[in-house]
Amino acid sequence: SQTIHQWPATLVQPVGSPLSLECTVEGTSNPNLYWYRQAAGRGLQLLFYSVGIGQISSEVPQNLSASRPQDRQFILSSKKLLLSDSGFYLCAWGRQAGNYNSPLHFGNGTRLTVT
Amino acid sequence: AQSVTQLDSHVSVSEGTPVLLRCNYSSSYSPSLFWYVQHPNKGLQLLLKYTSAATLVKGINGFEAEFKKSETSFHLTKPSAHMSDAAEYFCVVSPAAGNNRKLIWGLGTSLAVNP
Repeated sequence: SQTIHQWPATLVQPVGSPLSLECTVEGTSNPNLYWYRQAAGRGLQLLFYSVGIGQISSEVPQNLSASRPQDRQFILSSKKLLLSDSGFYLCAWGRQAGNYNSPLHFGNGTRLTVT
Repeated sequence: AQSVTQLDSHVSVSEGTPVLLRCNYSSSYSPSLFWYVQHPNKGLQLLLKYTSAATLVKGINGFEAEFKKSETSFHLTKPSAHMSDAAEYFCVVSPAAGNNRKLIWGLGTSLAVNP
């Protein structure tokens, strides 16, 4: 069966420090991978998605970047965190394009607090 | 353009009474529709999905939803609420066209269950 792991679960970082959040998927190949951010009362905002190794699409201009060094690994990074980067970050995977009626599967999320 | 509207940001019910969480969508194509649940500080779990088969869809934990094309609705219901149902619920549209699987998320409905 497929599993998705996301870590750390919580993180407190000072403004200006770097960030690296990691997500890995097991039990499937060539997944689409996604990073979402969730702010209180504002639903889910898609930050990045990837349809393959090294292929990253950014949805919103921001202080963050994403990379996909391996098929099953998706990393969210920042060189210098801002206060506005605080939030709940969710990684998800879904089956490849064309199978639009298959759902996304989510990790347990990372609560990031920038102080 | 596709969109999703969750008509209630907060719903409060008593334990043992029915639950109704309302969702309307707008889509140029025949979409797939999903309901997800999120417990505090957790990832999102798929409750159920509609994929153009039966219009009444049964999901986990006793939830079901009915796709009504004429009303462009996909309301989530449960006959009898349980305390463990208290969570955030998201209605989601997956456009039938496009190859990047960018889902369209409602802003969520917070369900409170009172003893």
